Amino acid sequence: AQSVAQPEDQVNVAEGNPLTVKCTYSVSGNPYLFWYVQYPNRGLQFLLKYITGDNLVKGSYGFEAEFNKSQTSFHLKKPSALVSDSALYFCAVRDTGFQKLVFGTGTRLLVSP
Amino acid sequence: GAVVSQHPSWVICKSGTSVKIECRSLDFQATTMFWYRQFPKQSLMLMATSNEGSKATYEQGVEKDKFLINHASLTLSTLTVTSAHPEDSSFYICSATRDRGDGEAFFGQGTRLTVV
Repeated sequence: AQSVAQPEDQVNVAEGNPLTVKCTYSVSGNPYLFWYVQYPNRGLQFLLKYITGDNLVKGSYGFEAEFNKSQTSFHLKKPSALVSDSALYFCAVRDTGFQKLVFGTGTRLLVSP
Repeated sequence: GAVVSQHPSWVICKSGTSVKIECRSLDFQATTMFWYRQFPKQSLMLMATSNEGSKATYEQGVEKDKFLINHASLTLSTLTVTSAHPEDSSFYICSATRDRGDGEAFFGQGTRLTVV
C-alpha cells in the first residue's frame, strides 16, 4: 500500500532563511510525488511534482523539491522564506497503476518577520 | 492551468436536511473526480472516487447512502450529504484529474458545511 509521512507537524523559520519541509513515502512501484499548499479555508494549490527525470524539481513561488530514491524522500525546499509562505503543506504520492493520491498529515509552516 | 470550481464555498443547514455540493472542471474533461473530507488541523481523508458514467467507489468506513456521489458528465460531479447531522460538519474538497497519466490533481476551493 502506498503511504506518505510528514514527520513535522510544524516548521518555524525566519524570513529570509532557507526552509525545508520533510516528506518520505512508500510505494510498491514507481512513485508520482506531489506537493500542495493550503491556505485557511481554501482548497489545495499545486506547487510541484516529480514523475520522472531530474531529481531536483522546481515549482511555483520559488519552491523546489529533491527526489531521493534511496532514502524514499521528497523534501520541499526554498532558499529564502517569505512571511507569505506561511501555510499548510501537504506531500502526496500516487503509485503507478492506481488512481488516487495519498496525502501526508500536513506540515504547518510559520515564517516569522 | 486547469481550474476546478466548487460550489457553494460555505453552507449552513438544519439537521435532517440534505445538502448538495457541486464540483466542476471548467476548462478540461475530468475523467476522475475525488471527494475529500478535512477535519480541523488534519489531513485530507479520501471519501470516494468517481468516474464519469459509473458508480462511485467509496473508501472503507464511508457510508454510501449518506454521501451520495453522482458524476453524470465529464465536467461535473456532485456530493449530496443526506439527512445531515452536526457531526457531518466539515470542510469538503473535490479534486479532478485529466486523462494524462501522471495523476496530477486539481482541487476545488472547498466547501465549509455547518449543520445546526
